[in-house]
Amino acid sequence: EAQVTQNPRYLITVTGKKLTVTCSQNMNHEYMSWYRQDPGLGLRQIYYSMNVEVTDKGDVPEGYKVSRKEKRNFPLILESPSPNQTSLYFCASSLYGVSFFGQGTRLTVV
Amino acid sequence: RKEVEQDPGPFNVPEGATVAFNCTYSNSASQSFFWYRQDCRKEPKLLMSVYSSGNEDGRFTAQLNRASQYISLLIRDSKLSDSATYLCVVKSNDYKLSFGAGTTVTVRA
Repeated sequence: EAQVTQNPRYLITVTGKKLTVTCSQNMNHEYMSWYRQDPGLGLRQIYYSMNVEVTDKGDVPEGYKVSRKEKRNFPLILESPSPNQTSLYFCASSLYGVSFFGQGTRLTVV
Repeated sequence: RKEVEQDPGPFNVPEGATVAFNCTYSNSASQSFFWYRQDCRKEPKLLMSVYSSGNEDGRFTAQLNRASQYISLLIRDSKLSDSATYLCVVKSNDYKLSFGAGTTVTVRA
């Protein structure tokens, strides 16, 4: 089954404690991206990757890092999380603009 | 100005009604257009792509107006299960995907 898997689904952490949200896809897509969704603001792109070792900033990259060492995985790293990064995060992989999303990670930073 | 703008609604309609809403985009070089559906903060899922000549998928009809830079979605014979947030997505020529904030539709019995 074609899918995008992200983990964890829920995470509560404290300010400054580094965390990683994993994302994996099994569709062999080259394009992957991370979004955050906040009430009234819709989905905002954090980072995207057009292929292995190729990543670029989206609209709201501050405070986030990503890596793309292999095609299937695209982890999102928060080196020093802050409360304003409390949000719902989605990973997606895309082909010709059609995106397949993971189930989301609800992150709370206290 | 946001790249993609949608009327947030909510559009509150009775079962069987027709509801329609638009999405405007700012980049005239945008290449591809989509409607996604999102339920209760779950992951968005593709509803339909939008083609230049307009297209239908069952009770759903999508239209593209390049001159005025908007796309539209029309839902006929609304069902309770159509209650959701509908996201407009625009793909530019540099592969960037821009999402609207969504239009909420509530279908009541």
